[in-house]
Order: sequence, then C-alpha cells, then structure tokens
Amino acid sequence: KNQVEQSPQSLIILEGKNCTLQCNYTVSPFSNLRWYKQDTGRGPVSLTIMTFSENTKSNGRYTATLDADTKQSSLHITASQLSDSASYICVVSETMEYGNKLVFGAGTILRVKS
Amino acid sequence: DAGITQSPRYKITETGRQVTLMCHQTWSHSYMFWYRQDLGHGLRLIYYSAAADITDKGEVSDGYVVSRSKTENFPLTLESATRSQTSVYFCASSETYRGQGMNTEAFFGQGTRLTVV
Repeated sequence: KNQVEQSPQSLIILEGKNCTLQCNYTVSPFSNLRWYKQDTGRGPVSLTIMTFSENTKSNGRYTATLDADTKQSSLHITASQLSDSASYICVVSETMEYGNKLVFGAGTILRVKS
Repeated sequence: DAGITQSPRYKITETGRQVTLMCHQTWSHSYMFWYRQDLGHGLRLIYYSAAADITDKGEVSDGYVVSRSKTENFPLTLESATRSQTSVYFCASSETYRGQGMNTEAFFGQGTRLTVV
C-alpha cells in the first residue's frame, strides 16, 4: 500500500530557531512531492512542489529537499516565527490513469513559542 | 469571489439523516476532490471527479454519493449519516494535464466540520 509517513508527530520550538520536518514515502509510481501548511480551521495551502528530478525547492524561509532514491523529503524552516505554528503535511502525488492521486501524510504539528 | 468555497462551514445532523455538503470553484478546473480529515490520519480521498459527469471512488467512499452535473460544482451527500462520518471535510480542485508531466497545484476549500449525533 502506498504510504506517506511523517515525523515527528508534533514539535515545539522557540521563536527564531530553525527546525526540520521529515517525510518518508513508498508511493510508486511517483509524480511529485508537495509540502502543505494547514493553519487551524483552514484548508491546506501549498508551500512547495518538487518533481523526482528536483533536489531542493525554496519558498521564503521554507526549504524542501527530496531524495528520490531513498524516498525521503524534508522541510526546513529557518528563523521560525509565531505564525509558522501550524500543521505541515507532506503529500506525494501518485501517477494514475486519470491524473494524479494525492497521498497525504498525517502531518507534523509545529508550535512556535515566544 | 474567485476561488473554491464550501458550505456550510459547520453542520450538526442526526444519525440516519441525509446531508449534502456543497463545493463550488470559479477556476473551471477539471478535477475536483472530496477528502475527510480525522485526527491521526492524513486527508483521505472520498471521491474525485475528472470532469463534469465523470466521478470515481476514493479509498473511503462507502456511505457517500457525489454528482458533477456542472464543472464548477461538486456536492457530497451522506445518504444516511453515521457517527463515524463525524469529520472535517475538504473539497479541492486542480487542473491536471494528462501525459505532460506538469505539476499542477491543488487548491483547498476552508472545510466543513460535520458532527453526527
């Protein structure tokens, strides 16, 4: 079964610190990998999208990396802010006949404290 | 306003009742999706639609029905609500180009929190 596993489940850091969230997947065939940010009570919003040929993608203070050989991705957040408190979801796109099916991880809940 | 909107935002219903969740998008995206989100689980696909009048089941489709008579609307109906269907439901849309390897964005609505009592 195609799966996406994220770690840690939750994380608390101090404002200004960096952190790294992990994502391992077994999805195949693989089209792309996405990281979403979901604020409480809102829908997920895309941060980055990477194809299997891309190693890294940045969006401001967010940098995602991808190792398609080991099927691992990470999301690095630098100089964290209180507004970074959210759930971060790794999503792998499985190639199917009628387009891509998104396989979601359970998310990592990040809390940034002052 | 442009975007994808869901209604209602919150709904409480009784076991056995039929309830319909609405989803509307203004981009004319071909693909639309319904997911449910439960604690400890990633979003799970209920149904998806590749175009008007084309729908297909996801991994947790039992007890749900969808229709897509118009490209912009994708209502989700719980035929006879059960407590296990208490969840947050998200609708999403995207424009995927088959066979071209393009990475298209999926846009999510705000969600509908459904409680079945």
